Amino acid sequence: RKEVEQDPGPFNVPEGATVAFNCTYSNSASQSFFWYRQDCRKEPKLLMSVYSSGNEDGRFTAQLNRASQYISLLIRDSKLSDSATYLCVVGASGGSYIPTFGRGTSLIVHP
Amino acid sequence: ETGVTQTPRHLVMGMTNKKSLKCEQHLGHNAMYWYKQSAKKPLELMFVYSLEERVENNSVPSRFSPECPNSSHLFLHLHTLQPEDSALYLCASSPTLTGGNEKLFFGSGTQLSVL
Repeated sequence: RKEVEQDPGPFNVPEGATVAFNCTYSNSASQSFFWYRQDCRKEPKLLMSVYSSGNEDGRFTAQLNRASQYISLLIRDSKLSDSATYLCVVGASGGSYIPTFGRGTSLIVHP
Repeated sequence: ETGVTQTPRHLVMGMTNKKSLKCEQHLGHNAMYWYKQSAKKPLELMFVYSLEERVENNSVPSRFSPECPNSSHLFLHLHTLQPEDSALYLCASSPTLTGGNEKLFFGSGTQLSVL
């Protein structure tokens, strides 16, 4: 089983739609979780951290389910500019932390 | 502008050439990373440095040689590369390796083509 798994997609949705991605992780001791966004041929950029209680930033909501070992990203009212690849990043607990990336989920928002 | 600068942005080299990629961060971070991203593949961690000490080397071929002279600079020396090494090479930094604050800040990357 891969350490961090994501459905590569693509998710093809119309403007204004709500779309959700999940990311599962294998290390139950993981403590740090993030979502990054990567545009084509560009570097990944931090979108948001994911906290145990869930957190929201505008149209974006991230949630963590420790029991089932997955994190989710919900995008409401999708914009054309949301088209990108969304990367899930998970860190281990204690000791030294090396971020582990999922392969990313591609989102295409069309008019 | 993320505070992490990579040069060059593009590099074309032959298999017998020697070249170096440079990364500089102005964020006062203690950890720096090299990642490789091939077309339609996930990010692959290559090397990690913490306070100038290498802490991770993910079975990278010896034709890739990292150097971290101080906590602000990271190099990737390349020699006798293969065409399959063509990829986007990304440098990143983070405040530390431990705790819960390891947000990564990436440079713009070097798009490498090996002919």
